Amino acid sequence: NAGVTQTPKFRILKIGQSMTLQCTQDMNHNYMYWYRQDPGMGLKLIYYSVGAGITDKGEVPNGYNVSRSTTEDFPLRLELAAPSQTSVYFCASHTGGDRTNEQFFGPGTRLTVL
Amino acid sequence: AQTVTQSQPEMSVQEAETVTLSCTYDTSESDYYLFWYKQPPSRQMILVIRQEAYKQQNATENRFSVNFQKAAKSFSLKISDSQLGDAAMYFCAYRRVQGAQKLVFGQGTRLTINP
Repeated sequence: NAGVTQTPKFRILKIGQSMTLQCTQDMNHNYMYWYRQDPGMGLKLIYYSVGAGITDKGEVPNGYNVSRSTTEDFPLRLELAAPSQTSVYFCASHTGGDRTNEQFFGPGTRLTVL
Repeated sequence: AQTVTQSQPEMSVQEAETVTLSCTYDTSESDYYLFWYKQPPSRQMILVIRQEAYKQQNATENRFSVNFQKAAKSFSLKISDSQLGDAAMYFCAYRRVQGAQKLVFGQGTRLTINP
């Protein structure tokens, strides 16, 4: 099992550019999440999905879009990059259901918008 | 909405000594989970320990233990016999039992281990 994988690891964007952060998990987890971590801060939820075809907004969704066409993939789209979106982005997954199961995190994508 | 607060931005401890990191949270629910995550310089989020709110017994994992005070909504992490590898950011997190299992994180505490 590769677990949760994210690409790219690093990216520099210019203001107004667009990009997609990729996230894939091979654990057949129903629940997937996108968090962002600003410097010196904790993680904040951007979007989440409880299954293929189902997505919902988290705490900080503005400027982002997501889709979930398969169980494995949960890409995060930035349409018009802004300096405020400079952050580290984490994807996570969870099987759901079992009370004790933990969320598994990917290694993160460091994004800089200049 | 639930909130998690870590009031210690930075802590330091001598190697082999004990350190306690503080966390408070706010919720109106009676059943939930609490977690401590470690984030080393590699940025990987590593689960250190978890506590289920309905369990009165404090969780322990080797050198890591928690002091869970449900009435006070307090959830501190104690690291015994601190090691250089314990140096990292530590995040306290809350999760509801019902719903989409979203995590709510505190701001983090940076722990430095002095040799």
